Amino acid sequence: EVQILETGGGLVKPGGSLRLSCATSGFNFNDYFINWVRQAPGKGLEWVGQIRHRYYDHATYYAESLEGRVTITRDDSKSTVFLQVNNLRTEDTAIYYCTRNTYVFHFFDYWGQGVMVTVSS
Amino acid sequence: DVQMTQSPYNLAASPGESVSINCKASKSISKYLAWYQQKPGKANKLLIYDGSTLQSGIPSRFSGSRSGTDFTLTISSLEPEDFGLYYCQQHNEYPYTFGAGTKLELK
Repeated sequence: EVQILETGGGLVKPGGSLRLSCATSGFNFNDYFINWVRQAPGKGLEWVGQIRHRYYDHATYYAESLEGRVTITRDDSKSTVFLQVNNLRTEDTAIYYCTRNTYVFHFFDYWGQGVMVTVSS
Repeated sequence: DVQMTQSPYNLAASPGESVSINCKASKSISKYLAWYQQKPGKANKLLIYDGSTLQSGIPSRFSGSRSGTDFTLTISSLEPEDFGLYYCQQHNEYPYTFGAGTKLELK
């Protein structure tokens, strides 16, 4: 059974940093790209970024609105992906979801339940 | 970036009715559009991809169609569990972009 679990959320002050984890199981992690998608309270979904698997040298792609503040990495030995966000702003307050896709399919067939990040002083 | 214009924002219907949700891309995305369902406390669910391909395990009352850059999700004969939020997403190019969402409510 495919499982995706995000952890690491919480309350952070503006200007601070946060590192979220996305632990996966139940599928061959090395065959999948992993994405982060976020959703501000009462708003729609926003793609944050993607990390490809090792066959694409772990290449990363980011939403332009976050570029420079966000880094996605992965630990293939632990089937886990990380999202680091620096210089947090109140508008980064959102539920952050982890999703997967493949090179062939760029839609998200499995999602985690998400983790809440609140940026507030 | 490809802008996805989704409509309507809200939709009220009764069980047994059929409803349609629309998504228009700001430029050609070929057939590469997905539809998701979002419900509180549950992981988002992929319903349709490539415009009209039903994801495995999704009931056949869900269907997708395309006309150029216009895409439609149709739910025929609504079941009580179909009420929730629906989003479209273009999966043709980076950055992936979503529609603003449609809230399907019980009339």
